[in-house]
Amino acid sequence: DQQVKQNSPSLSVQEGRISILNCDYTNSMFDYFLWYKKYPAEGPTFLISISSIKDKNEDGRFTVFLNKSAKHLSLHIVPSQPGDSAVYFCAASDFYNNNDMRFGAGTRLTVKP
Amino acid sequence: NAGVTQTPKFQVLKTGQSMTLQCAQDMNHEYMSWYRQDPGMGLRLIHYSVGAGITDQGEVPNGYNVSRSTTEDFPLRLLSAAPSQTSVYFCASSPMRTPFSTDTQYFGPGTRLTVL
Repeated sequence: DQQVKQNSPSLSVQEGRISILNCDYTNSMFDYFLWYKKYPAEGPTFLISISSIKDKNEDGRFTVFLNKSAKHLSLHIVPSQPGDSAVYFCAASDFYNNNDMRFGAGTRLTVKP
Repeated sequence: NAGVTQTPKFQVLKTGQSMTLQCAQDMNHEYMSWYRQDPGMGLRLIHYSVGAGITDQGEVPNGYNVSRSTTEDFPLRLLSAAPSQTSVYFCASSPMRTPFSTDTQYFGPGTRLTVL
């Protein structure tokens, strides 16, 4: 039962262009959504998040959009940089279910110089 | 401030052996959790704890035990290792949160476990 899905295992973009990573979820009880970034041999690190009562959150080059009716969120990185090359995990949390957090399978982003 | 630490970094076990993966955090976080990461599966929650003395099962708890005797430590025990438990294990911690908000989870560097 995969409640959070990232259907693109990989994405390749040119430096300076926009990277768009997508995530879909099925559980309407999720009230908070997060994106984590992971480099090889390291633990995931928090990137950006959004509450279900908002539809957009921006932090520098990173913007997360939430479409609750479509149960879809996306991460935009503008402009993309080679240092952004990593695996990105989408995660969703349900406060009323003991903070149950579910992760997507991840999308490997490669930013080419 | 070391954050979340995990030991060992690598471990090889034989089927049937038992071992404990250690996790410690120095941020006084109430919430701690264990995940496993497998290719194509993302991170799946094994067990979690909302405070000392309180633990509960996550998505994939079978074959694992946990205890939380202190705020700082949250060890994960493999009772009888099986090849299906070959994975990368991550421990994480965070403060407790309120609805529609969250304090993000801080992850340790991971333990790569191979069961032969």
